[in-house]
Amino acid sequence: EPEVTQTPSHQVTQMGQEVILRCVPISNHLYFYWYRQILGQKVEFLVSFYNNEISEKSEIFDDQFSVERPDGSNFTLKIRSTKLEDSAMYFCASSYRMGGELFFGEGSRLTVL
Amino acid sequence: AQSVTQLDSQVPVFEEAPVELRCNYSSSVSVYLFWYVQYPNQGLQLLLKYLSGSTLVKGINGFEAEFNKSQTSFHLRKPSVHISDTAEYFCAVSDRNAGGTSYGKLTFGQGTILTVHP
Repeated sequence: EPEVTQTPSHQVTQMGQEVILRCVPISNHLYFYWYRQILGQKVEFLVSFYNNEISEKSEIFDDQFSVERPDGSNFTLKIRSTKLEDSAMYFCASSYRMGGELFFGEGSRLTVL
Repeated sequence: AQSVTQLDSQVPVFEEAPVELRCNYSSSVSVYLFWYVQYPNQGLQLLLKYLSGSTLVKGINGFEAEFNKSQTSFHLRKPSVHISDTAEYFCAVSDRNAGGTSYGKLTFGQGTILTVHP
């Protein structure tokens, strides 16, 4: 069964460092999302992406964050200069069509020291 | 703006017992409703969704949920649970009237950990 894959599963980084989280959505999907879950808190929407541009972003998604689909298969989330409060589980999701089911990856746990 | 409240952070239950996981939402607009499940070390998997039509929706693994508009609730039920149902369950909503990718902009509850004991 096709699935969304995310790498790395866990990354530890120092505050101020850049981090790139990678996602491979299901191959024929067109809509892409990033969510995050800080430990003990709710899963929160970060950004949606369609047709090679951001469709919508939350207030969390500030200038430190960026997304890219560099090669037609990967979908990346970059955090330019990590802060302690960026420590969270980051989930990638994709769907085939508008209104279609979201398929989530297993998540990438980011720990900022 | 929308919010989702899952009233129980943890629900312990014995195998073969019935279970109900509660979800209430608040929204100024009409919403779609979802339940997701997360098994240990796995991603979020859609259990069921309410988009329109019958207010009782059936999902995978024997789960069902009922949309109650007057009580703004979408409680998840299963008549007889198995050990394998042990997981975290998330209720979520999205704006029914939003277009495009906003359908996938979900607002989640804080999750309910269901633990099924033998």
